[in-house]
Amino acid sequence: DTEVTQTPKHLVMGMTNKKSLKCEQHMGHRAMYWYKQKAKKPPELMFVYSYEKLSINESVPSRFSPECPNSSLLNLHLHALQPEDSALYLCASSQAGVGQRNTEAFFGQGTRLTVV
Amino acid sequence: AQSVSQHNHHVILSEAASLELGCNYSYGGTVNLFWYVQYPGQHLQLLLKYFSGDPLVKGIKGFEAEFIKSKFSFNLRKPSVQWSDTAEYFCAVNGGSSASKIIFGSGTRLSIRP
Repeated sequence: DTEVTQTPKHLVMGMTNKKSLKCEQHMGHRAMYWYKQKAKKPPELMFVYSYEKLSINESVPSRFSPECPNSSLLNLHLHALQPEDSALYLCASSQAGVGQRNTEAFFGQGTRLTVV
Repeated sequence: AQSVSQHNHHVILSEAASLELGCNYSYGGTVNLFWYVQYPGQHLQLLLKYFSGDPLVKGIKGFEAEFIKSKFSFNLRKPSVQWSDTAEYFCAVNGGSSASKIIFGSGTRLSIRP
């Protein structure tokens, strides 16, 4: 199983809503990532979890709140988002944790988020 | 800080033409290098990767890339493209103390004329 599964595939939310994006992998990977991708742009790193601990936060606004309940799951809690936060949110995982090299990232299909 | 540059924003080729997409990175330490492809409406897929050893790496679907350390480059090549290669191609890098930060280049959109 080399899949990273993200739910939901599409999400429309209002600026006052609270919603969560979910990501799951069963490859035993120790690092999990959230990326944001705007149309015709490269993925931009948001957060990295290594061994279930937040190791990198790329100065992401607090309206995005990541959570790693266990080694297979990664959530992204959303609250009070702005229309400019509309994007494709990608989850990824890799075998190695922070500080370890020689690893590639496997990406999920993403959640297409629209904030209205 | 590490960064990745892809100079070709949009490349248009006819089927059977040869392809070379440029990628340069700026990082003085040991790096891992990747090429990812994103077909329309699909998720990012790894085409190939370089960790160490032979600087010429072969990937899936007939793609290959050459790591030239002196030029900080990792260009992607394919001798004969097909219409199905139409996609967005991203070069990516990680390394050193930022080993978990996989940083992507701006991407190259490849359009193949049938």
